[in-house]
Amino acid sequence: DSGVTQTPKHLITATGQRVTLRCSPRSGDLSVYWYQQSLDQGLQFLIQYYNGEERAKGNILERFSAQQFPDLHSELNLSSLELGDSALYFCASSVEDSPFMNTEAFFGQGTRLTVV
Amino acid sequence: EDQVTQSPEALRLQEGESSSLNCSYTVSGLRGLFWYRQDPGKGPEFLFTLYSAGEEKEKERLKATLTKKESFLHITAPKPEDSATYLCAVQTLISSGSARQLTFGSGTQLTVLP
Repeated sequence: DSGVTQTPKHLITATGQRVTLRCSPRSGDLSVYWYQQSLDQGLQFLIQYYNGEERAKGNILERFSAQQFPDLHSELNLSSLELGDSALYFCASSVEDSPFMNTEAFFGQGTRLTVV
Repeated sequence: EDQVTQSPEALRLQEGESSSLNCSYTVSGLRGLFWYRQDPGKGPEFLFTLYSAGEEKEKERLKATLTKKESFLHITAPKPEDSATYLCAVQTLISSGSARQLTFGSGTQLTVLP
């Protein structure tokens, strides 16, 4: 158990809909990362938050957005869903209290999103 | 653009047959190289971090090494429970200098046969 909790584990929804994925980081971790993993793309970095603020953006679509709340949990919002958005969405967290400290990220079990 | 290439894509070994997985990278400003293990339908599980060329780390039957251009994950006398996808990732600074991201390779799917 990595200590990172993601809900729900599975989600099936229709095209055009909007869903919210939730992540609770490990206790003490200030940084949250979101990744998308599909069969043909591998693990793709989407976005990072640190202590409530957006830190970095990767290959995140404009239809997707995220936020990190004062209690440090994070939500990834996916809207106007398309079939191609079906994937595993992972959240990871790390301590990262300094840009010059190298720390590893611990991953949750993921949310499997199926768009039909 | 940062690139991470893992080889082979898939590897089948007999139990006890040692081998190595390769991760080659082209990045600017490497802050660390990470190895993860991922079982089907699960999140990646952290194995090692390597920071500088010449560094080595070991854990049970696994040993990771790092050079300036690549990393190897050596598996000694593997067992069926070592079967998984092994992911390599490099950590680099975002251009602003205040954030870092992990760029993952596509992984090596290891199968160890009893």
